[in-house]
Amino acid sequence: EAQVTQNPRYLITVTGKKLTVTCSQNMNHEYMSWYRQDPGLGLRQIYYSMNVEVTDKGDVPEGYKVSRKEKRNFPLILESPSPNQTSLYFCASRPGHRETQYFGPGTRLLVL
Amino acid sequence: GQSLEQPSEVTAVEGAIVQINCTYQTSGFYGLSWYQQHDGGAPTFLSYNALDGLEETGRFSSFLSRSDSYGYLLLQELQMKDSASYFCAVSPQEGGYNKLIFGAGTRLAVHP
Repeated sequence: EAQVTQNPRYLITVTGKKLTVTCSQNMNHEYMSWYRQDPGLGLRQIYYSMNVEVTDKGDVPEGYKVSRKEKRNFPLILESPSPNQTSLYFCASRPGHRETQYFGPGTRLLVL
Repeated sequence: GQSLEQPSEVTAVEGAIVQINCTYQTSGFYGLSWYQQHDGGAPTFLSYNALDGLEETGRFSSFLSRSDSYGYLLLQELQMKDSASYFCAVSPQEGGYNKLIFGAGTRLAVHP
């Protein structure tokens, strides 16, 4: 089954404790992105990647890092999480320039 | 900068037609897309307009007018399962195809 998977789905952590949210897609898509979703603000793009070792900042990259060492994986790293990073996070992928994006199920993060 | 505006809420009855508008301020973009998101779920792609005019996909249609900086999603023969949030999004030319900016979303409530 073609899908985007994220882990963990739910995470509670404390300020300053490094964490990684994994994202993997099995559709051989070139493009991958990370978004955060907050009430009243819609989805905001954090980082995106056009291919292996090619990444760029979205609208809200501060406090986040990403890497794209393999085509299928695009982990999101929070080196020192803060409470304002409490949010719902979505990973997405799409094939080339086509507009159809496939979203993962989401990761709900709470930073205390 | 770029911004997209949508109504925050729309209410309609089963079987009716509803139009969700999206107005935007952006210097240039590749196309306007629409996503649906049910509570607790991930966004799913609905429609994309690269050119002005109407695109029809079953009960859903989407329209774009670049000269008016305006687009809309039209949902016909509404069903209870259409109750969800709907987001418009654009890919600004300055960021390439993979950069995506979303509106804050419109919550559609369908009543019997």
